Amino acid sequence: GEDVEQSLFLSVREGDSSVINCTYTDSSSTYLYWYKQEPGAGLQLLTYIFSNMDMKQDQRLTVLLNKKDKHLSLRIADTQTGDSAIYFCAERAAGNKLTFGGGTRVLVKP
Amino acid sequence: EADIYQTPRYLVIGTGKKITLECSQTMGHDKMYWYQQDPGMELHLIHYSYGVNSTEKGDLSSESTVSRIRTEHFPLTLESARPSHTSQYLCASSQDPGTGHGYTFGSGTRLTVV
Repeated sequence: GEDVEQSLFLSVREGDSSVINCTYTDSSSTYLYWYKQEPGAGLQLLTYIFSNMDMKQDQRLTVLLNKKDKHLSLRIADTQTGDSAIYFCAERAAGNKLTFGGGTRVLVKP
Repeated sequence: EADIYQTPRYLVIGTGKKITLECSQTMGHDKMYWYQQDPGMELHLIHYSYGVNSTEKGDLSSESTVSRIRTEHFPLTLESARPSHTSQYLCASSQDPGTGHGYTFGSGTRLTVV
């Protein structure tokens, strides 16, 4: 079955780069996503990558996809205190349902 | 503006009460979902619908029920609330596959049963 794994916690200093990692098991994944959840809010789509790409950049965000190792990462350049949140990766495989990872809590220290 | 709305944002109710959590979207999406989110962050799919009069149970067993009489509306009902139902409930909707768009989430309902 589908399984998506993330580390639980990441602490980073303001201005440094953050890298959040994610692994998945379903090789038929078509799209992979990164969502951000701020306290008391729903999930907000940050970016996504199609499975035939290996990199996508969007302003401070860079997504890297290693399809062979089934590894996805999100790099946030020049991390700000407003980037403190929970980040979820998700994969879309057969059908339309997304499978979410358990979330990584990112804490940005001034 | 096209969006997805959940009401109420916060709800505190007594054990045994019947409650309905509302979810509405104005994007014309056929597919809608309900997730229960632990305090420890993990999301659990409890119900989904692929269109009007279609509802399915998700991966996590839940005592709640859902209905989908109109495309835009996907309410979740607990007939008799218990403290174990205390959680954050998130509603989401999506377009057809084949696009990069994932799910659009509502802001959530935080339910506390006392």
